[in-house]
Amino acid sequence: ETGVTQTPRHLVMGMTNKKSLKCEQHLGHNAMYWYKQSAKKPLELMFVYSLEERVENNSVPSRFSPECPNSSHLFLHLHTLQPEDSALYLCASSPQVADNSPLHFGNGTRLTVT
Amino acid sequence: DAKTTQPPSMDCAEGRAANLPCNHSTISGNEYVYWYRQIHSQGPQYIIHGLKNNETNEMASLIITEDRKSSTLILPHATLRDTAVYYCIVRVGATDSWGKLQFGAGTQVVVTP
Repeated sequence: ETGVTQTPRHLVMGMTNKKSLKCEQHLGHNAMYWYKQSAKKPLELMFVYSLEERVENNSVPSRFSPECPNSSHLFLHLHTLQPEDSALYLCASSPQVADNSPLHFGNGTRLTVT
Repeated sequence: DAKTTQPPSMDCAEGRAANLPCNHSTISGNEYVYWYRQIHSQGPQYIIHGLKNNETNEMASLIITEDRKSSTLILPHATLRDTAVYYCIVRVGATDSWGKLQFGAGTQVVVTP
């Protein structure tokens, strides 16, 4: 149990589908993050939220749409994805967005786009 | 953020100490050294971090050289569950980092019986 829960753990979707990934943190943190981990590539930061406000959008295509309704929940809405978007999507949280506190990661959603 | 260099892989015998090296020769004075590990099919797990003093917690010890250009993560008694990819990362603990942990390829550690 990491304190950061992601659902679903696995997702298969077609290129025309719309789906959402969910992340919930039980740590009382104010910052939440989405990362993408593709096969044989380092983790890539996608989005950063601080107290429900997006503070970083790391040149991510618009087919990925984040939503942070409160400081405990983070969503990643997906639509018209491409096969190259298949990856492990990781959510993380930290006490604040800009200090030396470590990030706490969830176990990710393994996404396959067919 | 400063880049890090780690060996791609290393083996360790169960019950022995595992010493994982990391070079960060371009580290700046305000950059912290972080260690994470990632067990297959799980998210990265925070292990330890430090600025210039050696640190110890229930998982590991972090030894940072006096010039801060390298560090060593020590797992005192490796178990089979410590088999994972270990990442050494340096980043600024300041307002412009935005959680930009720049993960490299890491070291694949295999603990054998």
